[in-house]
Amino acid sequence: DTAVSQTPKYLVTQMGNDKSIKCEQNLGHDTMYWYKQDSKKFLKIMFSYNNKELIINETVPNRFSPKSPDKAHLNLHINSLELGDSAVYFCASSQEFPRGRETQYFGPGTRLLVL
Amino acid sequence: DAKTTQPNSMESNEEEPVHLPCNHSTISGTDYIHWYRQLPSQGPEYVIHGLTSNVNNRMASLAIAEDRKSSTLILHRATLRDAAVYYCILINAGGTSYGKLTFGQGTILTVHP
Repeated sequence: DTAVSQTPKYLVTQMGNDKSIKCEQNLGHDTMYWYKQDSKKFLKIMFSYNNKELIINETVPNRFSPKSPDKAHLNLHINSLELGDSAVYFCASSQEFPRGRETQYFGPGTRLLVL
Repeated sequence: DAKTTQPNSMESNEEEPVHLPCNHSTISGTDYIHWYRQLPSQGPEYVIHGLTSNVNNRMASLAIAEDRKSSTLILHRATLRDAAVYYCILINAGGTSYGKLTFGQGTILTVHP
């Protein structure tokens, strides 16, 4: 049983297109996250949702819009894709909103390539 | 946010212990020390965390200096499956930065057969 799953695993698309990445967790966690890992392998948080409420919104272009239909899902929609959006996107979850001790569980990643 | 400093890379032989250091000289009293690792082509994976005392779990041990300005992740017997990038991360239990995992460049661990 996969704890945090993402679809698709690979996504190749043209510049200017709109695409979505889906994330689901079956751990019963309250908090979910999106991270971006660029070509230099640096991982940066993009968003965090707690009980479907946006908590963390880092400096991310507004072309990126997270949507949380319920606690188990956090989808990422990207409008007008640009070359610089090419990266690996990771979804993660934690039992509750972290106050230092909580563990985050990561999905396998979605490899996005914008041509 | 308090920062961490780790060596870029380390090497080990299989079945030998590995000590991965991390410096965090600006750590605050409410910062937890977390270690995650990322195996090739996978998402990061939690390894261990602690606040002040040394910690052990099935994966590793975490030794925290008395002044908390440094810590060491100990893999007691490295295996080939332990080859990964290891990240030392501080997570604050309060304030506006809590909840964010801020990943540095990490330490690339190579394990030789």
